[in-house]
Amino acid sequence: KNQVEQSPQSLIILEGKNCTLQCNYTVSPFSNLRWYKQDTGRGPVSLTIMTFSENTKSNGRYTATLDADTKQSSLHITASQLSDSASYICVVSAASGTYKYIFGTGTRLKVLA
Amino acid sequence: GAGVSQSPRYKVAKRGQDVALRCDPISGHVSLFWYQQALGQGPEFLTYFQNEAQLDKSGLPSDRFFAERPEGSVSTLKIQRTQQEDSAVYLCASSLALGAGQETQYFGPGTRLLVL
Repeated sequence: KNQVEQSPQSLIILEGKNCTLQCNYTVSPFSNLRWYKQDTGRGPVSLTIMTFSENTKSNGRYTATLDADTKQSSLHITASQLSDSASYICVVSAASGTYKYIFGTGTRLKVLA
Repeated sequence: GAGVSQSPRYKVAKRGQDVALRCDPISGHVSLFWYQQALGQGPEFLTYFQNEAQLDKSGLPSDRFFAERPEGSVSTLKIQRTQQEDSAVYLCASSLALGAGQETQYFGPGTRLLVL
């Protein structure tokens, strides 16, 4: 069983609409959670980083939330644009001292005109 | 801009051939990571360097995989006697600080390896 699970696997929305992507994790102990955007054929690009004490973090139209009690995070995209079409990957790292980041399999988002 | 670069971008190898993948991290970045990303999957950790020291190689799938960073900057991931299951995108990432803190990882574009 993956330690970081994302849903949905894929999502299609119309330009201008909002959407929310989910991430559930079982990694313990927990240090921080990151959301990345990965365009096709490119490396992932960091969107947000949250520690266990943070509940929300925004980066432009991207807002990430974290509930460390339920081990859930979400990424909300507001007023989607065609350029938002990409895979969004949730990444969790355990307590400091480990260098292993555990990646989810991603949600593939397609924004249509 | 001076981001993380990787070369080659694409590599086709015959089964059994040795390959070498290069990563040029952002200048001054202490931490360097290698990941393997299969099609439709998230990246999986292979190995981690802090300067020239390889502190964690627990993700390397077999002894055919070898990574080095002799001068603490450029890193090379070598795969000996490639197998078809080695086909994947190999991503390199670097970060400024030490360890797994809140520092941002910067990824290269990856090397797409296809083993025939």
